[in-house]
Amino acid sequence: QQPVQSPQAVILREGEDAVINCSSSKALYSVHWYRQKHGEAPVFLMILLKGGEQKGHEKISASFNEKKQQSSLYLTASQLSYSGTYFCGTNLFTGNQFYFGTGTSLTVIP
Amino acid sequence: EAGVAQSPRYKIIEKRQSVAFWCNPISGHATLYWYQQILGQGPKLLIQFQNNGVVDDSQLPKDRFSAERLKGVDSTLKIQPAKLEDSAVYLCASSLAGAVYEQYFGPGTRLTVT
Repeated sequence: QQPVQSPQAVILREGEDAVINCSSSKALYSVHWYRQKHGEAPVFLMILLKGGEQKGHEKISASFNEKKQQSSLYLTASQLSYSGTYFCGTNLFTGNQFYFGTGTSLTVIP
Repeated sequence: EAGVAQSPRYKIIEKRQSVAFWCNPISGHATLYWYQQILGQGPKLLIQFQNNGVVDDSQLPKDRFSAERLKGVDSTLKIQPAKLEDSAVYLCASSLAGAVYEQYFGPGTRLTVT
């Protein structure tokens, strides 16, 4: 039931864009996105609650395709501060259980 | 507003010993989570409380792990006896009311079992 993320790792130069995908084998009620820097706790980015919903947070936005049971996180014009590991978290439609994804390591270099 | 508090921050024990972790969530948050994060992996949910009731403990190794949330506020996670594979960071998080709300994480407890 753990959602699968792709890619596992990505290296960007400052200013480049990236897309991180999160796929579930189960129907989803909500999708969360978190960023975790090395040695720190995860920090909340955004929640998507409805199929087809899109949200933005500065230069970071996300979409949620309920039919495909997928969510994507879009990072545009990346900054050095974007480096870290990104996790999606899913709340299954059938209950309150919450599962973090496999994670995507993002490194932004000058 | 005070964040999620956890203690201790670090703990080193020998295998077969017992250990306990404490978590104080954000005031007013009904939902409390305990996660285990092994190096290089995503957080794995161990147990989720809604007030003082258990919502999900399907991934909690109940032969050695136990958790309680007395009075629906503070929570304690215990491991007895510890194994080498329990070495991990134990994260506590809280949210306002259920899994559709954002989770706020504490700093975590890094456990090393030797």
